[in-house]
Amino acid sequence: GQNIDQPTEMTATEGAIVQINCTYQTSGFNGLFWYQQHAGEAPTFLSYNVLDGLEEKGRFSSFLSRSKGYSYLLLKELQMKDSASYLCAARRSNDYKLSFGAGTTVTVRA
Amino acid sequence: ETGVTQTPRHLVMGMTNKKSLKCEQHLGHNAMYWYKQSAKKPLELMFVYSLEERVENNSVPSRFSPECPNSSHLFLHLHTLQPEDSALYLCASSSQGGGGEQFFGPGTRLTVL
Repeated sequence: GQNIDQPTEMTATEGAIVQINCTYQTSGFNGLFWYQQHAGEAPTFLSYNVLDGLEEKGRFSSFLSRSKGYSYLLLKELQMKDSASYLCAARRSNDYKLSFGAGTTVTVRA
Repeated sequence: ETGVTQTPRHLVMGMTNKKSLKCEQHLGHNAMYWYKQSAKKPLELMFVYSLEERVENNSVPSRFSPECPNSSHLFLHLHTLQPEDSALYLCASSSQGGGGEQFFGPGTRLTVL
Protein backbone atom coordinates (compact mmCIF):
# COMPACT_ATOMS: atom_id res chain seq x y z
CA GLY A 1 0.00 0.00 0.00
CA GLN A 2 0.93 3.65 0.06
CA ASN A 3 1.01 6.16 2.90
CA ILE A 4 1.19 9.81 1.85
CA ASP A 5 1.82 12.53 4.46
CA GLN A 6 1.77 16.29 4.01
CA PRO A 7 1.04 19.20 6.37
CA THR A 8 -2.58 20.24 6.76
CA GLU A 9 -2.17 24.00 6.53
CA MET A 10 0.45 26.66 5.77
CA THR A 11 0.24 30.45 5.77
CA ALA A 12 2.61 32.86 4.04
CA THR A 13 2.82 36.47 2.96
CA GLU A 14 2.40 37.74 -0.58
CA GLY A 15 5.78 37.77 -2.34
CA ALA A 16 7.30 35.19 -0.01
CA ILE A 17 8.34 31.57 -0.60
CA VAL A 18 6.59 28.49 0.77
CA GLN A 19 7.77 24.87 0.69
CA ILE A 20 5.23 22.07 1.02
CA ASN A 21 6.75 18.75 2.03
CA CYS A 22 5.37 15.33 1.19
CA THR A 23 6.60 11.95 2.38
CA TYR A 24 5.44 8.67 0.95
CA GLN A 25 5.82 4.99 1.69
CA THR A 26 4.98 2.86 -1.28
CA SER A 27 5.78 -0.44 -2.87
CA GLY A 28 6.97 -0.12 -6.44
CA PHE A 29 7.03 3.68 -6.58
CA ASN A 30 6.82 5.14 -10.08
CA GLY A 31 6.37 8.87 -9.89
CA LEU A 32 5.14 11.74 -7.74
CA PHE A 33 2.49 14.24 -8.84
CA TRP A 34 1.51 17.62 -7.44
CA TYR A 35 -1.93 19.08 -8.08
CA GLN A 36 -3.45 22.45 -7.17
CA GLN A 37 -7.10 22.67 -6.17
CA HIS A 38 -8.93 25.94 -5.58
CA ALA A 39 -12.04 25.79 -3.44
CA GLY A 40 -14.97 24.41 -5.42
CA GLU A 41 -12.85 23.63 -8.46
CA ALA A 42 -11.15 20.66 -10.10
CA PRO A 43 -7.61 19.67 -9.14
CA THR A 44 -5.21 20.85 -11.84
CA PHE A 45 -1.86 19.27 -12.65
CA LEU A 46 1.25 21.17 -11.54
CA SER A 47 4.20 18.81 -11.81
CA TYR A 48 5.46 15.26 -12.14
CA ASN A 49 8.78 13.85 -10.87
CA VAL A 50 10.00 10.33 -11.46
CA LEU A 51 13.78 10.86 -11.21
CA ASP A 52 15.66 12.43 -8.30
CA GLY A 53 16.17 16.16 -8.52
CA LEU A 54 14.48 19.47 -9.05
CA GLU A 55 12.00 20.31 -11.81
CA GLU A 56 11.39 24.04 -12.28
CA LYS A 57 8.35 25.54 -13.93
CA GLY A 58 8.22 29.29 -13.55
CA ARG A 59 7.36 30.22 -9.97
CA PHE A 60 6.73 26.58 -9.02
CA SER A 61 9.39 23.90 -8.55
CA SER A 62 9.13 20.30 -7.39
CA PHE A 63 11.84 18.11 -5.90
CA LEU A 64 12.07 14.36 -5.45
CA SER A 65 14.35 12.07 -3.47
CA ARG A 66 13.41 8.45 -4.15
CA SER A 67 15.83 7.06 -1.56
CA LYS A 68 14.23 9.18 1.16
CA GLY A 69 10.62 8.82 -0.01
CA TYR A 70 10.39 12.60 0.01
CA SER A 71 9.18 15.38 -2.26
CA TYR A 72 8.51 19.07 -1.91
CA LEU A 73 6.67 21.71 -3.89
CA LEU A 74 8.26 25.17 -3.77
CA LEU A 75 6.10 28.19 -4.49
CA LYS A 76 8.05 31.41 -5.09
CA GLU A 77 6.92 35.05 -5.31
CA LEU A 78 3.60 34.10 -3.79
CA GLN A 79 0.48 35.74 -5.17
CA MET A 80 -2.99 35.91 -3.64
CA LYS A 81 -4.27 33.59 -6.36
CA ASP A 82 -1.91 30.87 -5.06
CA SER A 83 -4.20 30.39 -2.05
CA ALA A 84 -5.44 26.85 -2.64
CA SER A 85 -5.06 23.24 -1.56
CA TYR A 86 -1.98 21.42 -2.89
CA LEU A 87 -2.27 17.66 -3.32
CA CYS A 88 0.65 15.25 -3.36
CA ALA A 89 0.04 11.91 -5.12
CA ALA A 90 2.27 8.86 -5.64
CA ARG A 91 1.92 6.34 -8.45
CA ARG A 92 2.91 2.68 -8.30
CA SER A 93 4.88 0.88 -10.98
CA ASN A 94 2.83 -0.83 -13.66
CA ASP A 95 -0.29 0.71 -12.23
CA TYR A 96 -2.47 3.62 -13.20
CA LYS A 97 -3.65 4.32 -9.69
CA LEU A 98 -2.65 7.42 -7.76
CA SER A 99 -2.63 7.52 -3.97
CA PHE A 100 -3.28 11.02 -2.70
CA GLY A 101 -2.34 12.84 0.47
CA ALA A 102 -5.05 14.80 2.28
CA GLY A 103 -3.80 18.08 0.81
CA THR A 104 -2.09 21.17 2.21
CA THR A 105 -4.19 24.33 2.36
CA VAL A 106 -1.99 27.34 1.63
CA THR A 107 -3.28 30.77 2.61
CA VAL A 108 -1.50 33.79 1.15
CA ARG A 109 -1.93 37.01 3.14
CA ALA A 110 -1.33 40.56 1.94
CA GLU B 1 -16.65 21.99 -24.43
CA THR B 2 -13.09 21.17 -23.54
CA GLY B 3 -11.45 19.06 -20.86
CA VAL B 4 -13.55 17.05 -18.44
CA THR B 5 -17.10 18.10 -17.62
CA GLN B 6 -19.43 16.84 -14.90
CA THR B 7 -23.15 17.26 -14.32
CA PRO B 8 -24.83 18.15 -12.12
CA ARG B 9 -22.47 20.39 -10.18
CA HIS B 10 -24.63 20.17 -7.05
CA LEU B 11 -27.09 17.46 -6.00
CA VAL B 12 -29.24 17.07 -2.92
CA MET B 13 -31.03 13.75 -2.53
CA GLY B 14 -32.91 11.75 0.05
CA MET B 15 -31.79 8.31 1.15
CA THR B 16 -34.49 6.60 -0.91
CA ASN B 17 -33.82 8.48 -4.16
CA LYS B 18 -32.09 7.20 -7.28
CA LYS B 19 -29.89 9.63 -9.16
CA SER B 20 -26.99 9.54 -11.61
CA LEU B 21 -23.83 11.59 -11.98
CA LYS B 22 -22.47 12.15 -15.47
CA CYS B 23 -18.92 12.75 -16.65
CA GLU B 24 -17.74 13.50 -20.18
CA GLN B 25 -14.18 13.92 -21.41
CA HIS B 26 -13.23 15.71 -24.61
CA LEU B 27 -9.52 14.84 -24.53
CA GLY B 28 -9.45 11.58 -26.46
CA HIS B 29 -8.37 9.65 -23.36
CA ASN B 30 -8.91 5.93 -22.89
CA ALA B 31 -9.12 5.66 -19.08
CA MET B 32 -11.68 7.23 -16.73
CA TYR B 33 -11.92 7.35 -12.94
CA TRP B 34 -14.36 8.14 -10.13
CA TYR B 35 -12.98 9.60 -6.89
CA LYS B 36 -14.67 10.59 -3.64
CA GLN B 37 -13.33 13.68 -1.84
CA SER B 38 -14.44 14.25 1.75
CA ALA B 39 -13.37 17.23 3.84
CA LYS B 40 -9.82 16.95 5.20
CA LYS B 41 -9.40 13.45 3.76
CA PRO B 42 -7.35 12.18 0.80
CA LEU B 43 -9.06 11.59 -2.50
CA GLU B 44 -10.39 8.03 -2.47
CA LEU B 45 -10.28 6.12 -5.73
CA MET B 46 -13.62 4.37 -6.32
CA PHE B 47 -13.64 2.96 -9.84
CA VAL B 48 -11.34 2.83 -12.86
CA TYR B 49 -12.31 2.08 -16.44
CA SER B 50 -9.62 1.42 -19.03
CA LEU B 51 -10.68 0.97 -22.66
CA GLU B 52 -14.29 0.83 -21.41
CA GLU B 53 -13.64 -2.15 -19.12
CA ARG B 54 -13.85 -1.81 -15.36
CA VAL B 55 -10.40 -2.61 -14.03
CA GLU B 56 -10.78 -1.41 -10.47
CA ASN B 57 -13.54 -1.54 -7.91
CA ASN B 58 -12.02 -0.30 -4.71
CA SER B 59 -14.32 -2.00 -2.19
CA VAL B 60 -17.07 0.46 -2.92
CA PRO B 61 -20.57 -0.32 -1.54
CA SER B 62 -23.05 -1.63 -4.09
CA ARG B 63 -25.23 1.44 -3.66
CA PHE B 64 -22.73 3.07 -6.06
CA SER B 65 -22.90 1.58 -9.56
CA PRO B 66 -20.64 2.85 -12.37
CA GLU B 67 -21.32 2.65 -16.09
CA CYS B 68 -18.99 3.42 -18.98
CA PRO B 69 -20.89 3.17 -22.30
CA ASN B 70 -17.94 4.49 -24.34
CA SER B 71 -14.50 5.99 -23.81
CA SER B 72 -15.86 9.54 -23.53
CA HIS B 73 -18.64 9.02 -21.02
CA LEU B 74 -18.78 7.76 -17.45
CA PHE B 75 -21.76 7.57 -15.11
CA LEU B 76 -22.15 6.91 -11.41
CA HIS B 77 -25.60 5.62 -10.49
CA LEU B 78 -26.64 6.28 -6.91
CA HIS B 79 -29.28 4.32 -4.98
CA THR B 80 -30.30 4.32 -1.29
CA LEU B 81 -27.32 6.38 -0.19
CA GLN B 82 -26.42 7.21 3.40
CA PRO B 83 -25.69 10.66 4.89
CA GLU B 84 -21.99 9.70 5.17
CA ASP B 85 -21.90 9.46 1.36
CA SER B 86 -22.17 13.25 1.20
CA ALA B 87 -18.95 14.43 -0.46
CA LEU B 88 -17.47 15.88 -3.64
CA TYR B 89 -17.39 13.27 -6.41
CA LEU B 90 -14.65 13.87 -8.94
CA CYS B 91 -14.26 12.32 -12.35
CA ALA B 92 -10.88 12.15 -14.06
CA SER B 93 -9.47 10.84 -17.33
CA SER B 94 -6.04 9.94 -18.66
CA SER B 95 -4.31 8.45 -21.68
CA GLN B 96 -1.70 5.72 -22.09
CA GLY B 97 -3.90 3.00 -20.65
CA GLY B 98 -4.20 4.94 -17.43
CA GLY B 99 -0.49 5.63 -16.99
CA GLY B 100 -0.55 9.29 -17.99
CA GLU B 101 -1.35 12.42 -16.05
CA GLN B 102 -4.97 12.54 -14.84
CA PHE B 103 -7.22 15.45 -15.78
CA PHE B 104 -10.05 16.17 -13.35
CA GLY B 105 -13.54 17.49 -13.80
CA PRO B 106 -14.99 20.15 -11.47
CA GLY B 107 -16.87 17.58 -9.40
CA THR B 108 -20.42 17.07 -8.19
CA ARG B 109 -21.11 18.26 -4.65
CA LEU B 110 -23.51 15.62 -3.27
CA THR B 111 -25.56 16.04 -0.12
CA VAL B 112 -27.58 13.10 1.18
CA LEU B 113 -30.33 14.03 3.62
